[in-house]
Amino acid sequence: DQQVKQNSPSLSVQEGRISILNCDYTNSMFDYFLWYKKYPAEGPTFLISISSIKDKNEDGRFTVFLNKSAKHLSLHIVPSQPGDSAVYFCAADYGGSNYKLTFGKGTLLTVNP
Amino acid sequence: DVKVTQSSRYLVKRTGEKVFLECVQDMDHENMFWYRQDPGLGLRLIYFSYDVKMKEKGDIPEGYSVSREKKERFSLILESASTNQTSMYLCASRGGYFGYTFGSGTRLTVV
Repeated sequence: DQQVKQNSPSLSVQEGRISILNCDYTNSMFDYFLWYKKYPAEGPTFLISISSIKDKNEDGRFTVFLNKSAKHLSLHIVPSQPGDSAVYFCAADYGGSNYKLTFGKGTLLTVNP
Repeated sequence: DVKVTQSSRYLVKRTGEKVFLECVQDMDHENMFWYRQDPGLGLRLIYFSYDVKMKEKGDIPEGYSVSREKKERFSLILESASTNQTSMYLCASRGGYFGYTFGSGTRLTVV
């Protein structure tokens, strides 16, 4: 039972355009969401997060949108750069999780020069 | 910044060997985790620990054990390595409501 789903295994965009990575969740108890970025042969690094009391959080080129009614969040990268090429994991958390994050399976983003 | 250090970046072991993967964090975090990452399967939780000498099974604990004798160190043990344990292993720690800090990962190949 996958509680966090990233339905697109891969996404390819041109440099300078917008990248939109999507994530859906099923557990209505989730109240905190995070995005991690992972390069090959490295550990994931934290990118951006959002609490369920907000519907948008922005950090430079990265913006996360949360639609609680649809149980959907998305990560927007504008403008996309070749260095953004990586696997992006969506993760979710709630108060009773024992500090365990629930991850999606990831989306491989390729930004073409 | 929290630092999570995994002792080896790359390991090659033989089938049947006992393998130890070490992870150390330097920020006094209570919670530590071991994941493996495989293509198409994402990050799968093997074991986690919320205190010294405490451990909990994750989603795929079979063939693995863990040890947490000190707060800063969380070890993953492959009792008898098999080829299907060839993977990228990731350690993470977490000290509060904020997310994980991951180590750099260990790419283990079992031959």
